[in-house]
Amino acid sequence: AQKITQTQPGMFVQEKEAVTLDCTYDTSDQSYGLFWYKQPSSGEMIFLIYQGSYDEQNATEGRYSLNFQKARKSANLVISASQLGDSAMYFCAMRDNFNKFYFGSGTKLNVKP
Amino acid sequence: ETGVTQTPRHLVMGMTNKKSLKCEQHLGHNAMYWYKQSAKKPLELMFVYNFKEQTENNSVPSRFSPECPNSSHLFLHLHTLQPEDSALYLCASSGTSGRVSQETQYFGPGTRLLVL
Repeated sequence: AQKITQTQPGMFVQEKEAVTLDCTYDTSDQSYGLFWYKQPSSGEMIFLIYQGSYDEQNATEGRYSLNFQKARKSANLVISASQLGDSAMYFCAMRDNFNKFYFGSGTKLNVKP
Repeated sequence: ETGVTQTPRHLVMGMTNKKSLKCEQHLGHNAMYWYKQSAKKPLELMFVYNFKEQTENNSVPSRFSPECPNSSHLFLHLHTLQPEDSALYLCASSGTSGRVSQETQYFGPGTRLLVL
């Protein structure tokens, strides 16, 4: 069975500091994709970053990077230099080869000024 | 318009009403999804369409009826809903070319539904 686990219901970070949001996944597939989404209070799910299971290097997109540790089945999101606008819910997701997406329960990030 | 659009953005309906949610994607994708997001609950996948064919129905009650007339449009027809159906309904789309697991899913802004 596929499963995504986010163990941090809520996180606080000081503005301009870095923060790591945890995500672990469970799959027996060899090929899969890992994603992070941001959901502000407006509701829209915004795609942030993608990591393929065969990618050897960690993905980076601006201030976002994905710390991919395949053997540990973890795909943590690192946000550097946090901004007030980063306050939102963050969801980790996995896609398998059958076109199914699995989402974690989310982490609410609050950035303090 | 670009990306994935959804209308209406907000909807209030009585339990005896019939309404429809509309989703349109302008990304050239061929897979479309409906999700339900209730307060304090994980995102729930409702339906998946690939090339206009329904490939997933996650035990959704029949009061929710999806329709996918083409790869760009997806509807969710609602009738005799219950108050517990109040939620944010999100539409998404993705491509399915190449290695499937690489394709990113893009979401619309959602419809906030309140059933009275």
